[in-house]
Amino acid sequence: DTGVSQDPRHKITKRGQNVTFRCDPISEHNRLYWYRQTLGQGPEFLTYFQNEAQLEKSRLLSDRFSAERPKGSFSTLEIQRTEQGDSAMYLCASSAGLASYYEQYFGPGTRLTVT
Amino acid sequence: AQSVAQPEDQVNVAEGNPLTVKCTYSVSGNPYLFWYVQYPNRGLQFLLKYITGDNLVKGSYGFEAEFNKSQTSFHLKKPSALVSDSALYFCAVRDNGGSQGNLIFGKGTKLSVKP
Repeated sequence: DTGVSQDPRHKITKRGQNVTFRCDPISEHNRLYWYRQTLGQGPEFLTYFQNEAQLEKSRLLSDRFSAERPKGSFSTLEIQRTEQGDSAMYLCASSAGLASYYEQYFGPGTRLTVT
Repeated sequence: AQSVAQPEDQVNVAEGNPLTVKCTYSVSGNPYLFWYVQYPNRGLQFLLKYITGDNLVKGSYGFEAEFNKSQTSFHLKKPSALVSDSALYFCAVRDNGGSQGNLIFGKGTKLSVKP
């Protein structure tokens, strides 16, 4: 068990380009979460999967944001037509079981810089 | 609205002295409370949680936290600080507004332990 991994660790892109981030959760963790963290703030919830089902996506920041978890394992977060305001750290977390009191384990994050 | 407040942006402590990092919360229903630590260039690491039971919760690296329902607080403590404890600490509460189990984070408190 190597923990939650995210790829890439850093991404620099030009405004208007599309970017995709990948998250590999701890194996057999049912729940997968995406958060965004900006400088000086705590992580902000974006979306959540239970197995392959995306059960909450209303917190995605705009319709430019989308996420998938096609086989209930890894997940991707895509941002289309990036804007400078999208520059942030994007964090993925996973947790075991279906009970929401299980702690979440976080990956190292993907730092996005939009120029 | 559910929220977490960390009233101190920074806490400075001398090595060997006790430390306290403060956290207060506002949530409907029973609070599920968590502390995470973030080291530079690393993801959030789980320290401890309060779900139910004893108000004093013990966690990783010698940290503990005291749940106080009447004061809606969940302060993080350690009897003797180490220089290696210097990091960014986040308090979080489970969002009880839905069934997804996402966390609501405070803005974080930077702990600086001087030799």
